Amino acid sequence: TQLLEQSPQFLSIQEGENLTVYCNSSSVFSSLQWYRQEPGEGPVLLVTVVTGGEVKKLKRLTFQFGDARKDSSLHITAAQTGDTGLYLCAGARSGNTPLVFGKGTRLSVIA
Amino acid sequence: EPEVTQTPSHQVTQMGQEVILRCVPISNHLYFYWYRQILGQKVEFLVSFYNNEISEKSEIFDDQFSVERPDGSNFTLKIRSTKLEDSAMYFCASRRGFGLVMNTEAFFGQGTRLTVV
Repeated sequence: TQLLEQSPQFLSIQEGENLTVYCNSSSVFSSLQWYRQEPGEGPVLLVTVVTGGEVKKLKRLTFQFGDARKDSSLHITAAQTGDTGLYLCAGARSGNTPLVFGKGTRLSVIA
Repeated sequence: EPEVTQTPSHQVTQMGQEVILRCVPISNHLYFYWYRQILGQKVEFLVSFYNNEISEKSEIFDDQFSVERPDGSNFTLKIRSTKLEDSAMYFCASRRGFGLVMNTEAFFGQGTRLTVV
């Protein structure tokens, strides 16, 4: 069983602060995806990382895939209230296998 | 922008009744999935479907569940005899293929909230 552990589970910060959330596993993944989910809605894809050590930027969000492709991090710079939401990481063992999700980090950015 | 659409958005059903949840995947996608999310818990894989057959299923996907692609556009999940513990958000997802990064990305619908009473 592949498990993706996300930490922290909850995070509450002031607007303008920086934060990092983590996604860790003992398994190797061929790709890892980060999603954001609003209450009552489906996960919305933010980014996919596939290469060990890869770094991708999406405006103020920076995603990194670990060298061994077992872990990933999401760093948000100068958080805004609009960043509030549930951030999910999901990994696939190979190209055809279904995604396995972590439990998510619930981020609250306070004005 | 193409998207995965699901209907209905909310379904309330009596325990023991059959329900069918509907999904229209993105049109040029080849892989289809059903996931569920019990309130406050993580998104769990149910089943994957490729080339008109189930390619993988989880322990959750027992004999009470079935999937079908009846007409080349719709992708349905049927629960034959619903139980209280089937209450959850059910998400359909689709993926173009495999190989290139963009082909491995899965896109999710807005979900159907199933409430079994």
